[in-house]
Amino acid sequence: DTGVSQDPRHKITKRGQNVTFRCDPISEHNRLYWYRQTLGQGPEFLTYFQNEAQLEKSRLLSDRFSAERPKGSFSTLEIQRTEQGDSAMYLCASSFSSGGSTDTQYFGPGTRLTVL
Amino acid sequence: DQQVKQNSPSLSVQEGRISILNCDYTNSMFDYFLWYKKYPAEGPTFLISISSIKDKNEDGRFTVFLNKSAKHLSLHIVPSQPGDSAVYFCAATAWGGSEKLVFGKGTKLTVNP
Repeated sequence: DTGVSQDPRHKITKRGQNVTFRCDPISEHNRLYWYRQTLGQGPEFLTYFQNEAQLEKSRLLSDRFSAERPKGSFSTLEIQRTEQGDSAMYLCASSFSSGGSTDTQYFGPGTRLTVL
Repeated sequence: DQQVKQNSPSLSVQEGRISILNCDYTNSMFDYFLWYKKYPAEGPTFLISISSIKDKNEDGRFTVFLNKSAKHLSLHIVPSQPGDSAVYFCAATAWGGSEKLVFGKGTKLTVNP
């Protein structure tokens, strides 16, 4: 079990550019979450997948953000036309849910985005 | 409206003593609570959790206490070690649906040798 991995770890981009982040969850986990953390705050929920289906999106996720999880494995988070306010740490987490009880979410190391 | 509150931004304790980190929540639907530890430039690491059907859960040096009537939980670390120095986040969720985590703002713990 190698844990949740994210790529890249750091991304610096200019305002208006598009960026894409990747998350590889723990292999047997069927749930995948994206969170965003800004300075001095706790992580905030963005969206979640159950297998390949995106079942919930936060109002924080504007139409410039899109996430996918093809085949229920890895996930990508794309931000189009980046703005300086998008600068944050983007965290991915995964868990296994059998439906019977709440399962622990395990986080990846995060992708630090800086928009200049 | 913050549903999970950690009112102490920082805490400093001596090595070997007890560290007590506190967390309050407002949403009565929350039924599962977790503590995560975070080092700079890393993702949160899961520490310990507690279900609302319990009032205490222990794992080694870490114990979490839950007081449902007061909507309050606390994390006790005994004895504290310098390696425990990090930011600690309290998180809560409700069973069913997305089970997304709602986090507090964190408490920075410093354990002095």
